[in-house]
Amino acid sequence: DAKTTQPNSMESNEEEPVHLPCNHSTISGTDYIHWYRQLPSQGPEYVIHGLTSNVNNRMASLAIAEDRKSSTLILHRATLRDAAVYYCILRDVNFGNEKLTFGTGTRLTIIP
Amino acid sequence: NAGVMQNPRHLVRRRGQEARLRCSPMKGHSHVYWYRQLPEEGLKFMVYLQKENIIDESGMPKERFSAEFPKEGPSILRIQQVVRGDSAAYFCASSLKPGSYEQYFGPGTRLTVT
Repeated sequence: DAKTTQPNSMESNEEEPVHLPCNHSTISGTDYIHWYRQLPSQGPEYVIHGLTSNVNNRMASLAIAEDRKSSTLILHRATLRDAAVYYCILRDVNFGNEKLTFGTGTRLTIIP
Repeated sequence: NAGVMQNPRHLVRRRGQEARLRCSPMKGHSHVYWYRQLPEEGLKFMVYLQKENIIDESGMPKERFSAEFPKEGPSILRIQQVVRGDSAAYFCASSLKPGSYEQYFGPGTRLTVT
């Protein structure tokens, strides 16, 4: 799996938008971009995924650069419950690569 | 619809004992994955199983660790002769089909070896 690079930590104020960046300069044409998050003392939780186009769901939005070498997870209005470690993961589904390869992620702190 | 269930949530074993970790996937899911998270480290893939078959065990330590997912019952991760370095959180995930975008994770089993 291609490598991703994320900032170690970020802070954001409650009720403000949060933009979590991810660089993946060696992404291949069949790599999907996935985001998971892990709240304290819990298992990881799927957030969103995309291939080329921007994606929205009830939890977040995913903005993908035109060259696909970077992406940004957007939490539109952060709450205290969004404090977690966020992982950006590339996954080549076409080759049946089932495992998720987690990096170190970004630890997001929400300031009340 | 119940999520992925893991038990026990906490397990304490002395060095040399055996640890058995159980994972019940979400209803209808026949694909199970085990991950390990060592203290202050990221999650590492261990093994991927379908019913009665091990599909990918590239992340499993070569000795003392085994996994199964029988036709009936939960998936089991078994660690024989535990050592202090096995202390970690072990997470199980399940998916509906191969290539699924989402893996649903359980709450984990925290193993402490004394």
